[in-house]
Amino acid sequence: DAKTTQPTSMDCAEGRAANLPCNHSTISGNEYVYWYRQIHSQGPQYIIHGLKNNETNEMASLIITEDRKSSTLILPHATLRDTAVYYCIVRVAITPGGTSYGKLTFGQGTILTVHP
Amino acid sequence: DSGVTQTPKHLITATGQRVTLRCSPRSGDLSVYWYQQSLDQGLQFLIQYYNGEERAKGNILERFSAQQFPDLHSELNLSSLELGDSALYFCASSFTVNTEAFFGQGTRLTVV
Repeated sequence: DAKTTQPTSMDCAEGRAANLPCNHSTISGNEYVYWYRQIHSQGPQYIIHGLKNNETNEMASLIITEDRKSSTLILPHATLRDTAVYYCIVRVAITPGGTSYGKLTFGQGTILTVHP
Repeated sequence: DSGVTQTPKHLITATGQRVTLRCSPRSGDLSVYWYQQSLDQGLQFLIQYYNGEERAKGNILERFSAQQFPDLHSELNLSSLELGDSALYFCASSFTVNTEAFFGQGTRLTVV
């Protein structure tokens, strides 16, 4: 699976957009970009994923560059409850005969702190 | 609520003992994943099952084993427990191996 690089920590003011970058320069054509977050010691929470097109859901937007080597997760109006560790994960699609079969490999993530 | 249920939420046991952690996936999900998160380590992938069959293995110790039953629930068995096995253990499930996975709230295991 391709590796990802994220900043260790970021700050954001409440009500402002939080833009979390992720570098995945070795991503392959059959690998998706997934974002999860973990609030304190709770179970990781799925946010959004995409292959090459930008995606938006009720939680966030995912912007993937045209060359797919990097992406940005956007939380449009950050709240204090968005303070968490955010993980950018590259996940390989099903590979016949392979052993990945969709496992999610978590890195260290970005600690996002939203300030009042 | 992700729909993934893990029991028990907390478990305290002594070194050398054996415990079983249980995971009930979301209704209809065929794939189950187990992860370990200790204080000094990130989320470590342990093992994955799909429709009852083991599909991928991570850094799972030989003292640990898992299985997925016909009703699709899964159990993670940890034996000969050591202090270093103290951690949060998460289960996740997904409909297929290519769809998003949803995590349970975890079991906090403390070995004393």
